[in-house]
Amino acid sequence: DAGVTQSPTHLIKTRGQQVTLRCSPKSGHDTVSWYQQALGQGPQFIFQYYEEEERQRGNFPDRFSGHQFPNYSSELNVNALLLGDSALYLCASSLGQGARVWTQYFGPGTRLLVL
Amino acid sequence: KNQVEQSPQSLIILEGKNCTLQCNYTVSPFSNLRWYKQDTGRGPVSLTIMTFSENTKSNGRYTATLDADTKQSSLHITASQLSDSASYICVVSAEGGSQGNLIFGKGTKLSVKP
Repeated sequence: DAGVTQSPTHLIKTRGQQVTLRCSPKSGHDTVSWYQQALGQGPQFIFQYYEEEERQRGNFPDRFSGHQFPNYSSELNVNALLLGDSALYLCASSLGQGARVWTQYFGPGTRLLVL
Repeated sequence: KNQVEQSPQSLIILEGKNCTLQCNYTVSPFSNLRWYKQDTGRGPVSLTIMTFSENTKSNGRYTATLDADTKQSSLHITASQLSDSASYICVVSAEGGSQGNLIFGKGTKLSVKP
């Protein structure tokens, strides 16, 4: 049973460019959340997708957008990259909405470096 | 403001020794508290999840405690191993909050030396 997978593992971009990161959730999971983790910091919530819709969003600008596909996989798009967007981008999957206690599984992350 | 504070920021111990990591939170209303282990450059892996009614939970050599009255939690690692070297992140979920409403601490970086 494959866990959460993310691609690519590493990425180097220049300021102003656009990037797309991909995530496949753990088998059986239907909810995907994206996080940004700067070096030495805890993950910061970007947004969450369920049933192909953005359900919740953290304090991130509109340059950050996403999508969820019918097979529950998800993409994170970042436009007009800034140096400060350099971080580890984590995808986490879980099952369903509304459960009081639920388990979230994280992927290995995509390390993005903006030059 | 909902916050999670962890201490110490970093810790170095010798292999075989025990250690305790601390987490204080101001999240309200409280739903549950989680400890994650994150190896360098990897995604976090869940160690324990505790709700309001639980005050201790173990996972092998890892034991987490929760005092909901004082809003404090600790993670105790027994007989440390070199593979325990990682960042340990405390995460608190607010009651009624959906999966996006997790408040992450900055983590404690643990280094276990031979």
